Amino acid sequence: GAVVSQHPSWVICKSGTSVKIECRSLDFQATTMFWYRQFPKQSLMLMATSNEGSKATYEQGVEKDKFLINHASLTLSTLTVTSAHPEDSSFYICSARDPDRGEGGYTFGSGTRLTVV
Amino acid sequence: AQKVTQAQTEISVVEKEDVTLDCVYETRDTTYYLFWYKQPPSGELVFLIRRNSFDEQNEISGRYSWNFQKSTSSFNFTITASQVVDSAVYFCALTLNAGGTSYGKLTFGQGTILTVHP
Repeated sequence: GAVVSQHPSWVICKSGTSVKIECRSLDFQATTMFWYRQFPKQSLMLMATSNEGSKATYEQGVEKDKFLINHASLTLSTLTVTSAHPEDSSFYICSARDPDRGEGGYTFGSGTRLTVV
Repeated sequence: AQKVTQAQTEISVVEKEDVTLDCVYETRDTTYYLFWYKQPPSGELVFLIRRNSFDEQNEISGRYSWNFQKSTSSFNFTITASQVVDSAVYFCALTLNAGGTSYGKLTFGQGTILTVHP
């Protein structure tokens, strides 16, 4: 299947700073990417849907001004956590529809573990 | 709205035992996809299987097998002769078919932590 490359794998930042997470689709174009968040020992919750060339669609309860999503090209989507606070510490993971798996197939990035101190 | 329930929070077995992970889902749509993913300690999600709502055939892949029953809205996952390397968190997930506003959005269950002891 296709590969989604996500960077960084982990990041530690100070409270109040911003952190950018990148997801790149390798060898395929991803017009739509999805961003999920996972707290320790919990499930994955969809945060937003990233659409190439247009504004992201955020799920209810997700602050769009805090979690900025940019999908400027068909192979790159970024999530920026602005003015990060300790409660933003979490595991963030992106996904894209895998063209090799046909309808309903998705491939995930390797995830980013964010720790805000 | 869709919902996926994995009632088993944690399961602990001894190597070579068979283990079944339960998954029950809720959706009003007639067309959807069900998935199982494995999440090892490193965090990445490993795709295991996808099942279309129109295909109720059970599937076997090596030591893994899946039982899909629409009548009970269940999609259970069995590992035969478990191994220590099977230790991970397993997630069941659902997404609607193309055309709906929820297309592409995966709804995950709470996950089941499987620990296989040597």
